[in-house]
Amino acid sequence: GAVVSQHPSRVICKSGTSVKIECRSLDFQATTMFWYRQFPKQSLMLMATSNEGSKATYEQGVEKDKFLINHASLTLSTLTVTSAHPEDSSFYICSAPRGGGGTEAFFGQGTRLTVV
Amino acid sequence: DAKTTQPTSMDCAEGRAANLPCNHSTISGNEYVYWYRQIHSQGPQYIIHGLKNNETNEMASLIITEDRKSSTLILPHATLRDTAVYYCIVRPPLDTGRRALTFGSGTRLQVQP
Repeated sequence: GAVVSQHPSRVICKSGTSVKIECRSLDFQATTMFWYRQFPKQSLMLMATSNEGSKATYEQGVEKDKFLINHASLTLSTLTVTSAHPEDSSFYICSAPRGGGGTEAFFGQGTRLTVV
Repeated sequence: DAKTTQPTSMDCAEGRAANLPCNHSTISGNEYVYWYRQIHSQGPQYIIHGLKNNETNEMASLIITEDRKSSTLILPHATLRDTAVYYCIVRPPLDTGRRALTFGSGTRLQVQP
């Protein structure tokens, strides 16, 4: 079945540095991908929608200059957390709809970001 | 998307069937019922979806009431690996490519040995 691969699965970085997270659709093309954030004991919250060939759209309250999204190809979207702070520590998850008539969405394994 | 209501948590004995309910009394005629689960520290996993007929796949069965106002996800023989948070989501299918899924609080299923 369709698979979405996310890398890295876990990252620890120092305050003020930037971290890039990659999301790849392995056996299908995704013109749209979604980025979520999940804090401990909470549900997934949509951060932004990544669109291949155009600018990402961000949910209210999400800083677009802090969370840079690039959808460079039909199989790759990246999320860069710039100038990370401890409050950015969270579980980041990407998702891509299957498309092609399928209606389910597929999710990456998630990235545990810890900012120290 | 129609609002869904799920119990906060449930326990189930290993090897027994786990029945997870979901209320969606405001569901529209074109909205499907989707179930996903999230095992701890992993991304969500698609389980099953349906419109009005009962559905079954290798993971689970989905029973939708005749009035479509509620549904039940059935894991026929729960194992410890089924311990997860289960999300019931109601939405139109053709919208999947344009809008992200909206997750509620889900049901935390704990399978007991």
